[in-house]
Amino acid sequence: GIQVEQSPPDLILQEGANSTLRCNFSDSVNNLQWFHQNPWGQLINLFYIPSGTKQNGRLSATTVATERYSLLYISSSQTTDSGVYFCAVSNMEYGNKLVFGAGTILRVKS
Amino acid sequence: GAVVSQHPSWVICKSGTSVKIECRSLDFQATTMFWYRQFPKQSLMLMATSNEGSKATYEQGVEKDKFLINHASLTLSTLTVTSAHPEDSSFYICSASRTGMTEAFFGQGTRLTVV
Repeated sequence: GIQVEQSPPDLILQEGANSTLRCNFSDSVNNLQWFHQNPWGQLINLFYIPSGTKQNGRLSATTVATERYSLLYISSSQTTDSGVYFCAVSNMEYGNKLVFGAGTILRVKS
Repeated sequence: GAVVSQHPSWVICKSGTSVKIECRSLDFQATTMFWYRQFPKQSLMLMATSNEGSKATYEQGVEKDKFLINHASLTLSTLTVTSAHPEDSSFYICSASRTGMTEAFFGQGTRLTVV
């Protein structure tokens, strides 16, 4: 099956700082999603981005499918950005089942 | 985006009893639903895939007789944890999709505590 690696595993930022989270995957994909898991456990869809670049407010993401990685950018971080960020991918060969990376734990300090 | 609702949000049960968790797609017909389990400070691990009207497909290492999955309609799938034990305590979360939909949407999750 597909392997997904996220880095860094942990990240501590001062409020207002920028950060980049990375997701490497081992095979071609037809789906790549970034999620933010809030303190109650709910997964918030951030981006559906199997390729290309998207932006939503202070967040943006880029996936380079040919090189099998994706980046999530967080600018001007706020304390409410704290939580766990997951990258998940799927492909048709694996039945379109999402495989999650281990996540990046982000803590933004005021 | 599509809305997926899970119920209950949390449940406490005694060892040996069974617990049922519901996953509903509210604004679309879900041909496929996925069930995941997440232990504290870990990632989400796929347990099983259910397709409407057919038997669920379980991932390796998941006991199908312990985790009963029913997907009887296009808007509802249920996960029943039978004869629950403390080691079954975990966060269970479902996602739903339909044919042609590649983006996944998740329910709020259910935190199960077995005492």
